[in-house]
Amino acid sequence: GDSVTQMEGPVTLSEEAFLTINCTYTATGYPSLFWYVQYPGEGLQLLLKATKADDKGSNKGFEATYRKETTSFHLEKGSVQVSDSAVYFCALSAGNTGKLIFGQGTTLQVKP
Amino acid sequence: EAEVAQSPRYKITEKSQAVAFWCDPISGHATLYWYRQILGQGPELLVQFQDESVVDDSQLPKDRFSAERLKGVDSTLKIQPAELGDSAMYLCASSLVGTSGTDTQYFGPGTRLTVL
Repeated sequence: GDSVTQMEGPVTLSEEAFLTINCTYTATGYPSLFWYVQYPGEGLQLLLKATKADDKGSNKGFEATYRKETTSFHLEKGSVQVSDSAVYFCALSAGNTGKLIFGQGTTLQVKP
Repeated sequence: EAEVAQSPRYKITEKSQAVAFWCDPISGHATLYWYRQILGQGPELLVQFQDESVVDDSQLPKDRFSAERLKGVDSTLKIQPAELGDSAMYLCASSLVGTSGTDTQYFGPGTRLTVL
């Protein structure tokens, strides 16, 4: 079945460091790919998405490119801030139902 | 900005008791989802509604869980009886159409359930 695998956390970085969180997926067909962020005590917020191969999603300095050949959707940010500390979830939506399949989440801790 | 509303935010109950969670989606959103998020894991879909009809409830433990969306607007998720393993965050999400894989889902703040 469809699945998403993320790099294990926690990821601990100093402020202004470069961030990469790896995400790979397995799916039949051509899924849409998403990154959601969850701040402590809150629900999930959409960070960015890409709906077809080679699309690049971007928002708030974060970027991810849909790579069909490597079945990947890695999240990157050039300079992280303390306020970026949160749990990041990679997800795919396959088929026509809109159902999201999530990875296990990666906790990011940014220290001043 | 419109948001998905959920209540209660926190619920503590004893095993074998009944609990209910409520969700009010963004106005005009046809599709409503209930997800369960166990601590340290990603959310997993329990049930999906398109208007008032169930589209997918394949992962809903139907012997104890039930969900309804009677008028195609707000929704209630019930557990009876609750078990220790039901302790989790229950998230509601809605999307405008839902039948397109590109549609964005908007999540509520969740209900954190603790079963003692």
